[in-house]
Formats: sequence, C-alpha cells, structure tokens
Amino acid sequence: DIQMTQSPSTLSASVGDRVTITCRASQSISSWLAWYQQIPGQAPKLLIYQASSLESGVPPRFSGSGSGTEFTLTISSLRPQDAAVYYCQQYSSYSLLTFGGGTKVEIK
Amino acid sequence: QLQLQESGPGLVEPSETLSLTCTVSGGSISSKSYYWGWVRQSPGRGLEWIGTMCYSERTDYNPSLKTRVTISGDTSKNQFSLKLTFVTAADTAVYYCVRADSGDSGGFFNYWGQGTLVTVS
Repeated sequence: DIQMTQSPSTLSASVGDRVTITCRASQSISSWLAWYQQIPGQAPKLLIYQASSLESGVPPRFSGSGSGTEFTLTISSLRPQDAAVYYCQQYSSYSLLTFGGGTKVEIK
Repeated sequence: QLQLQESGPGLVEPSETLSLTCTVSGGSISSKSYYWGWVRQSPGRGLEWIGTMCYSERTDYNPSLKTRVTISGDTSKNQFSLKLTFVTAADTAVYYCVRADSGDSGGFFNYWGQGTLVTVS
C-alpha cells in the first residue's frame, strides 16, 4: 500500500493568511496527486489534480505543488468560506487508490 | 451536467449484505472514458476507496475489502451498484458514488454523489 500522511491535522489561521498543507507519500507517486475540500455536511470537492492542475471553477487562490513523495496545497489568502477539511489522494495505480487523513482548517 | 445519486437501505444488520445503487444522469456508465466507483467515510477511518469499474473493461477493488465487495453496472438503467457482504459495525459509514476519468492521467474523482449513511446495527 502507498500511505499518505498529511500535516498538520488541524490548523487555525486568520482571514487573509497564507496557508500551507503538506502531504507525504510513502513511496514515489510522480505527480499523481489530487486535493479535495470537504465542507461539513457535503461531499468532497476536487480542487487540484496531477499535483498542480487547478480544477475548472476553483478559485486561483488555491494552488498545488510537488512531485515524488512531497506535496503541498497552498491557499494564498484565506477566506471564511475556506473553513473545511482538506484531503490528498494518490492515484499512481488504479488498483489501489489511497487518501490522506485530512487537515482541518479553522478560521481564527 | 453529470449527477450521481446514491440509494439503498440506511440500516443493515451485522453479517448481512449492504447493497447500494448509484443512478447516473447526464452521462453514460458504458463510456470507456470513465471509471465509476465507491468511496466511504467513517469517523474512525477517514476517506476509503472501495473500488471502481470501467464498464466491460476492468474492475478494481481495495485489497482490504476485495473478498467482500462486488461493483457492477446496469446499462439499461444507467446505474451501478455496490454489494458488501458480511458487514460489521466497522462498515458503518457514509457511502459516496464517484466518477473518475480513465486513461493514463485519470484516477482522481471529479464527480461525487451527495452520499448516503449506512449504519450496521
């Protein structure tokens, strides 16, 4: 199995802050990484795929970077509506897709 | 606009079979361009991929669930289904049906159903 580890598990930031979430893979996954946002009571929503490609309709304050085993999701200027849980997911093989444990972003 | 809608019992007894259906509108499950599948979410285990199918091409299952899971499609109704046998309380979760692009660069889920809570008790 490819294990995905996210950090931190929770972060608290102020509106306007730059926020960075890290996702580490237990082995190289090239750039086969996606990021999702889950607002309480809703299904996850795709933000980023292939590590850095922004899904259509997602605000440009969201960006992704990384390759191999280390990846980051950055929110350039935090908005109140960004309070959510963020998950990474690797898809280096269709036969075993795995998610990270999630990072909860709270607004101070 | 593609829409996915889960349906099925919200309560299943231990050792029984969990059966869910996903009705697809705005797209065809017989398209070779997409994978159709299931992801579940429980408080203790986060998001867990259950399995995906590309109709008449391939089906992949999470190895941890493989002996108990079947995903299949019904093109006449444009639906696909999940069957999970011998359920226990650990299978209590919100179950989402999902779609991913197939091909070399696919595998991420760009469409999700609203989710349905299944309790094993």
